[in-house]
Parts: sequence; structure tokens; C-alpha cells
Amino acid sequence: DVKVTQSSRYLVKRTGEKVFLECVQDMDHENMFWYRQDPGLGLRLIYFSYDVKMKEKGDIPEGYSVSREKKERFSLILESASTNQTSMYLCASSPPNQETQYFGPGTRLLVL
Amino acid sequence: SQKIEQNSEALNIQEGKTATLTCNYTNYSPAYLQWYRQDPGRGPVFLLLIRENEKEKRKERLKVTFDTTLKQSLFHITASQPADSATYLCALDYTGRRALTFGSGTRLQVQP
Repeated sequence: DVKVTQSSRYLVKRTGEKVFLECVQDMDHENMFWYRQDPGLGLRLIYFSYDVKMKEKGDIPEGYSVSREKKERFSLILESASTNQTSMYLCASSPPNQETQYFGPGTRLLVL
Repeated sequence: SQKIEQNSEALNIQEGKTATLTCNYTNYSPAYLQWYRQDPGRGPVFLLLIRENEKEKRKERLKVTFDTTLKQSLFHITASQPADSATYLCALDYTGRRALTFGSGTRLQVQP
């Protein structure tokens, strides 16, 4: 079974803090994705990556950056957290020959 | 801009009935469309994928149709059970690069 893990289920941070959200997949998938999910808005794509050291902006990249130094790990960085970044963050991965995405359990981030 | 619409109101049905959920999209002719299930506090789980040249796809009690003329997909759960209660999301790849755009989901509640 594909397993996608996220470093924290719940996180509380202060405005202005630098926040790292980590995602690890164990199936050697090339493609990895970061989404945020807010009530009424659904999942919105922040960034994605097709390979190590490669990244592409999604629909809402402002205020975020990403890092992919190893194939199995994709990190989302909030350089200076703001209250409007309070949300559920979901990581996903998919192999190159499939359109299906496999999601992690999510990290619920609260920025105070 | 691309848009995916799902009925944001919850759908309440009786156990044993067929649930039908709708996904409408605009401004695009996708090569495929996906449906995911999401339980509270968890990441989405892939259910079905249907391609543009397929009218219908089935998996156990699930059936998906795809009408590229109407720009609509219907998702059916036959003989519904309380365990089917969840939020169901449809998703499209507008980029052609496997980065998905999700609808906001429809919450299904199956009453025993």
C-alpha cells in the first residue's frame, strides 16, 4: 500500500514564524503536491514537483515556498506565517504512469 | 478561468437508496475526471477515474458517467449504506500535467 505521511497532524504557530510542513512518501513516486483545504473552497493547489529539485507553482503559491531535495520528501515552507494561512494542509503523491493521487492525513495549522 | 461546481448542500438519503452526486465544469475539455472520498479530518481517497472516451465506469456499487457535451459527471452509489456517509470530491486536470483542480465537494449523509 502507498503510504504518504505528514510530520504533524496539528500545529499551532504565531504570526511571523517560519513554518515547515514535511511530507514523505514511501513508493518512489516522482510527482508530489501540496494543497490547502478551507471550508467552502475545496482543495486548492499550492505547489507541485515532478522530480528532485523541480517545482511548479499551483493556483495559490503566494506566501509559500517548497523544497524537494530527496525524491521521497516534499516540504512546504511558510516564510512568515500569517493568520490567513490557518488551514488544513494536504500532501499527495502520484507515480509517473498514473493520474491517481495518494493523500496524506493532513496537517491542521492554526496561526495565532 | 476554470471552474468545477458540486452541489454544496448536503445530500441526505435513506439507506438502500441510490445517491446521485453531480459535478459540472466549465472552460475546458478534460482528458479524464476523478472522484475521491473524504472522511472528516482525513485526506481524500481515490475512488474512480473516467476518461473522455468512456461514457460510464463501474466499481462495485459505484458508477460514474461522463458527458463531455454537457460538461458534467454524475457519481452514483447504489444500495447506499450509512458507511457511505462522507464528502465526495470531483477533480480535473486542467494543466495536462496531473496537477488536479478539485470541486468543493458534496457531503452525503445516509440515514439508517
